[in-house]
Amino acid sequence: ILNVEQSPQSLHVQEGDSTNFTCSFPSSNFYALHWYRWETAKSPEALFVMTLNGDEKKKGRISATLNTKEGYSYLYIKGSQPEDSATYLCASPNQAGTALIFGKGTTLSVSS
Amino acid sequence: DSGVTQTPKHLITATGQRVTLRCSPRSGDLSVYWYQQSLDQGLQFLIHYYNGEERAKGNILERFSAQQFPDLHSELNLSSLELGDSALYFCASSASGAPYNEQFFGPGTRLTVL
Repeated sequence: ILNVEQSPQSLHVQEGDSTNFTCSFPSSNFYALHWYRWETAKSPEALFVMTLNGDEKKKGRISATLNTKEGYSYLYIKGSQPEDSATYLCASPNQAGTALIFGKGTTLSVSS
Repeated sequence: DSGVTQTPKHLITATGQRVTLRCSPRSGDLSVYWYQQSLDQGLQFLIHYYNGEERAKGNILERFSAQQFPDLHSELNLSSLELGDSALYFCASSASGAPYNEQFFGPGTRLTVL
């Protein structure tokens, strides 16, 4: 994988549903994997930065896992709420570790 | 509030013109990154400065240039503007530019080229 890829592109769930999205990234020369949350009309905000294979991070109802050997990360949201509606971006540093390459994001819409 | 400031918030200009976008990083952060977000595109990395020196270049056009000043604020200069340059331009800062440093994003500058 040469790019950072995210799936699905968009997702619509009902309030209370749990959901998850995938981020695939180049597994060679791994430095870190970043997750950002981007609400409409705001700017991206960091959720997690993960550096170790098998890492799991949690913030409230949102958690993420990391597999550096196969080059993927999952973001989970438990009991989705309307305020979780946003675009979730993942990013991986380039080969030199000097820039972040972002995926196109997964846009989550939660209906009440 | 991330602590990163960008000015102006909106900019409307004509093709062929030149504009300057300004970014002030969070206090203490040495790295500044510029990104472009166009319709249907993700965040595209343009350029990274660390403590006044260019550290990395992404898909930045030759018509675009940037610099970081001794007080660590940065400017992105866009010249000979084309319709396709209309986009949201974000600046982000991080502590040291290490790949595991989270980046803090400014509110963005919305550029419209008519």
